[in-house]
Parts: sequence; structure tokens; C-alpha cells
Amino acid sequence: QQQVKQSPQSLIVQKGGIPIINCAYENTAFDYFPWYQQFPGKGPALLIAIRPDVSEKKEGRFTISFNKSAKQFSLHIMDSQPGDSATYFCAASSYNFNKFYFGSGTKLNVKP
Amino acid sequence: DAGITQSPRYKITETGRQVTLMCHQTWSHSYMFWYRQDLGHGLRLIYYSAAADITDKGEVPDGYVVSRSKTENFPLTLESATRSQTSVYFCASSPVGYEQYFGPGTRLTVT
Repeated sequence: QQQVKQSPQSLIVQKGGIPIINCAYENTAFDYFPWYQQFPGKGPALLIAIRPDVSEKKEGRFTISFNKSAKQFSLHIMDSQPGDSATYFCAASSYNFNKFYFGSGTKLNVKP
Repeated sequence: DAGITQSPRYKITETGRQVTLMCHQTWSHSYMFWYRQDLGHGLRLIYYSAAADITDKGEVPDGYVVSRSKTENFPLTLESATRSQTSVYFCASSPVGYEQYFGPGTRLTVT
């Protein structure tokens, strides 16, 4: 059973658009929700993370929205650029428990 | 240079052979992890280690063995490789467990 469900599988937007990637989880013990960015041939890199005590977190052009009651969280990329083209993974973990569960990934293509 | 490295970057082996993937980090992070990445599955945790000589199973540990005698090294061994273990393997490290920093990966093909 997949612990974290991610959608869509792929996404194409024009430069300047706002792609939105969604994730849902079931385990209420999860309390740390990071997003990772991965370029081809590279390892994933931590982008931004949120804890359930806040509903939104912004870092630069990247924003996480978190809905605790719905057990959903999403990544928004403002003013997207072709350089943002990558695969994005959401993940979930307990804060004091080191097992991470990743979503299946979203391949984002930002067209010039 | 400081960071996390993996070797080899590419490996082709035959079914039934033993193969060891190496992971080395220079940050002195306490935690280290091994993941496999397969299309449609994202990353799945194989094993992790909270400190030297402390390891624990992740989601998909069957067919893999780990050891951690030194803080900086976390080798992953496939005792008898199978075709289903063809994958890209990533090692990660973390100072606290939840902020993980990934290596460049090892692409393993089992024929």
C-alpha cells in the first residue's frame, strides 16, 4: 500500500505559469513533509519542507500548502522557469522516526 | 571535497553474483540511508542507520545486507543479485534524520 500518493504523474506548463503538484497521505503519525527536486542523472535535493503546525510555507518561488484535516499537501511553483524542469517528489515521515515514504514523482516540463 | 559520494556510478553484474555498493560522506552525519528508485515507485527505503553499528530495515530490505562500522561509510551488499534488483540506488545522509542529503546514485543492471 502506497503511503503517499502523488499527482499528476507529469505536468507541462508555459514559462511564468504556476504548476501545482499534489500529495495525499493516510498515516496521521506523519508530521514532516518535504519536497525534493531531481534533475536527470542526479540525486534528489531537498527543496522545501513543512510541519503540520502551519498551513503554508514559502521559500523563494516555492510554496507548500498543507491541509491537515484533508491529509493533503501541495507544492506551488510561482513564475515557473525552464530551469525548474525536473522531477519533483513529495515525502512524509514522522519527526522522530526516520523512515521516509516518497510519492511516485511528478515530471515537470516548463516550456519557454 | 565535502559531501556524499557513491561508487561505482554504474555497475553491470550477473544473476547470482554478490555486489557491494559503496557510500561515503564527509559531514560526519549520524544518519545514513539506502534507497532504490524505480519508475512508478519513486524512492523506497531499503535500510537506514542512526549511528555506527546501528542499522534498521526500511520498506524493501529483502535481498540486501548493510553494515556500518564507521560513521562515514555505509556499504550496501546484494548477496545474490536478481534481475528485480536492477535499479538506481541512492545513498543519503542526515545530521538529524529528517533532512536528508542524497548522493549521485549508482545505476545497477543485473543480467
